[in-house]
Formats: sequence, C-alpha cells, structure tokens
Amino acid sequence: RKEVEQDPGPFNVPEGATVAFNCTYSNSASQSFFWYRQDCRKEPKLLMSVYSSGNEDGRFTAQLNRASQYISLLIRDSKLSDSATYLCVVTGGSASKIIFGSGTRLSIRP
Amino acid sequence: DAGVIQSPRHEVTEMGQEVTLRCKPISGHNSLFWYRQTMMRGLELLIYFNNNVPIDDSGMPEDRFSAKMPNASFSTLKIQPSEPRDSAVYFCASSLLEDIGELFFGEGSRLTVL
Repeated sequence: RKEVEQDPGPFNVPEGATVAFNCTYSNSASQSFFWYRQDCRKEPKLLMSVYSSGNEDGRFTAQLNRASQYISLLIRDSKLSDSATYLCVVTGGSASKIIFGSGTRLSIRP
Repeated sequence: DAGVIQSPRHEVTEMGQEVTLRCKPISGHNSLFWYRQTMMRGLELLIYFNNNVPIDDSGMPEDRFSAKMPNASFSTLKIQPSEPRDSAVYFCASSLLEDIGELFFGEGSRLTVL
C-alpha cells in the first residue's frame, strides 16, 4: 500500500460547481498535512496547510480526519483557473518523510 | 524576493553524456531538496541537505547520480553517465525548516536523454 494515496482523476466539472477530493495516508504518526497545486508543466506550489480543526481560504476548505487517516480539499464555486493537479503532502518527523501523493487532476469546463 | 532558481530549464543530451543541474535556494532557507518527477512515478525525493550537509540520499537511484552543496546558496545534481531512463523533470526546492512540508520549488529542469 502506498504511504499516500490519491484518486488520480481526472475530475471534470462545470464552472461554478463544488468539487471535493480526498487523500488517504497510512502512517498514523504523520504530523503535518498540506495541499499543493501544480499547473501543467509548472512547479508545485503550496496551496494551503491542513489543520486539525479544518481551515478555509476563500473558496477552498481543507480538513483532516485523523481517525480515518485522510485529508480533504473542497473547492466551491469552481473557476476555470482552478484547473490543475492537486497534490497532497504528508509529513512525519523528518524531511525524508515529506511524502507527496501522485496528484488528482481537476479540469473545469466552461 | 527571488525564488528558487534552477538552470538549465531544458536540456537535451545523448546517452552517456554528463549532465549537471544547478540550483540556488531562497536566501535564508536551511534545507534544500532535489526531486525528480515523471508521469509514471510522480514526485520522488532524491536527496536533501540541511545546512549544506547531505542528510538523506536514499532516494538517489544509483551511483551515476551525485549531488553537492558547497555553500548555502548553491547546489548541483550530476548524472554521469546519463541514460534515457533519466529523462524527467528535476525540481529543486528549499524550505526554512527541515521537517515541515512547506517547500518552495524552482521551475524545474526538464531533461531529455536520447
């Protein structure tokens, strides 16, 4: 089993829709959680951290469920510019334990 | 502020040639990471440095790969000899703290080995 697993997608949704995807992790000792965004042929960029209490940044909401060992990302009122690959990142105690998921591709159609 | 700077952005070379990729991290960041990304394997950590010292190179594929960080503002990743299976995008990233996943990536070096 992979340490971090994501549905690769693609998720193809109309503009204005709400879309959510999850990321599961296998190490219960994992400490920190993040979502990164990667545009086609670009570098990954930090989108948001994921806190135990959940956090929101505009149209984006991230949540952590430690009991079930997954994190989620919800995008409301999706825009064409949200089309990208979303990578979840799980860390656990050392830099070599910064584990990237393989990413979920999101495509927003007009 | 300048971000992580990588060079070259693109490199096409022939099998057997030496390839050197370069990275300048963000000033003040203590940790530097080299990642490789392919469609098949996603993002793989090759090696990371903390305060210029290599901490974990277990992700380096084989002896053909080597990395150095002679000072806080410069790192190289060398492949000698290169093989077609090394074709990938190589990212350098830096972070302020070693064990937090807030990484700042360079734009990557796209390597094609013919």
